[in-house]
Amino acid sequence: SQKIEQNSEALNIQEGKTATLTCNYTNYSPAYLQWYRQDPGRGPVFLLLIRENEKEKRKERLKVTFDTTLKQSLFHITASQPADSATYLCALETSNYQLIWGAGTKLIIKP
Amino acid sequence: DAGVIQSPRHEVTEMGQEVTLRCKPISGHNSLFWYRQTMMRGLELLIYFNNNVPIDDSGMPEDRFSAKMPNASFSTLKIQPSEPRDSAVYFCASSPGTGTDTQYFGPGTRLTVL
Repeated sequence: SQKIEQNSEALNIQEGKTATLTCNYTNYSPAYLQWYRQDPGRGPVFLLLIRENEKEKRKERLKVTFDTTLKQSLFHITASQPADSATYLCALETSNYQLIWGAGTKLIIKP
Repeated sequence: DAGVIQSPRHEVTEMGQEVTLRCKPISGHNSLFWYRQTMMRGLELLIYFNNNVPIDDSGMPEDRFSAKMPNASFSTLKIQPSEPRDSAVYFCASSPGTGTDTQYFGPGTRLTVL
């Protein structure tokens, strides 16, 4: 079955630096992958979608890469700010036309 | 746009009681999802509807859980009887197309079963 892994430990980054989060997957080759942000007490909010034929996608200070050979997606936040502190989840589409979700990585941006 | 609406936001009940969670998806969206989120297990898909029809309910833990979608603008998730291990945050989400489209989540219902 498909498996998706994110770093379970919180990531502490100094304000202004680039934060990089990792999403690894096995046993499947998804056509696309999505990243969501979740704040405490709220539902996840969609950020970016990247397709298998797109090596990189950008949106303002966010950048996502998708390496289908390594079966890995990297999520970058440049010039990070304390307001970027949240949990970030990746989700990939599966063979039965549904999304499976990573457990999320908690990002803490220190002023 | 109102977004996905869930009620109640918080529910505290005693073991053995029936619990009903409600969801109104975004108008025009064809798919609706019920998820459960806990620290231990993360975000788990319980059931997925497309055009009001249940497509996959393999994530429903057991017969105590049931979900309905009588029309395009309303869905319920019922737990009967509830147990302490059902305590979690339950999210409803909707998407414009199929199960792999971008999903829009409601604020969730925090359920505590004593």
